[in-house]
Amino acid sequence: SQTIHQWPATLVQPVGSPLSLECTVEGTSNPNLYWYRQAAGRGLQLLFYSVGIGQISSEVPQNLSASRPQDRQFILSSKKLLLSDSGFYLCAWSVTREAFFGQGTRLTVV
Amino acid sequence: QKEVEQNSGPLSVPEGAIASLNCTYSDRGSQSFFWYRQYSGKSPELIMFIYSNGDKEDGRFTAQLNKASQYVSLLIRDSQPSDSATYLCAPSTGFQKLVFGTGTRLLVSP
Repeated sequence: SQTIHQWPATLVQPVGSPLSLECTVEGTSNPNLYWYRQAAGRGLQLLFYSVGIGQISSEVPQNLSASRPQDRQFILSSKKLLLSDSGFYLCAWSVTREAFFGQGTRLTVV
Repeated sequence: QKEVEQNSGPLSVPEGAIASLNCTYSDRGSQSFFWYRQYSGKSPELIMFIYSNGDKEDGRFTAQLNKASQYVSLLIRDSQPSDSATYLCAPSTGFQKLVFGTGTRLLVSP
């Protein structure tokens, strides 16, 4: 069966520090991969999605970037965090139509 | 106009009642429609999907789709306190890119 791993679960980072969140999927090949962000009390905002290795589509201009170095690995990065980057970051995968989410990373920028 | 619109709620219903959650979308090219449930502090989990106009039933849940009206709904029969959560509507708009509504918070009182 397919599983998705996302870490860390929580993270507190100072403003201006770098960020790297990693997501890996097991049990499937060539999945579509997504990064979403959910600010406190808000909906899910699609940040990036990828349909294959090295293929990244950005949905919202911002202080973040994404990479897909391997088929089942998706990385979200920032060179310098802003206070506004705080939120609940969710990685998701899909192969057919529906998407399945990882457990999320709660990021607090202080 | 937002791509996906949902009433943020909270929608309060007594235990045993029917909860009706509604969603409208703007992209007429949407072909697949998903309902996710999100408990506070957790990641979304898929509960229903529908592709064709009409009704689709799964246990206590019924999804209804009207593509002409760009409207999709979720009915929860015999609501339980454990159904209290935020329900997210997500049409799929190509490359399985899911765009989520802000969600409707449902409160089921014992």
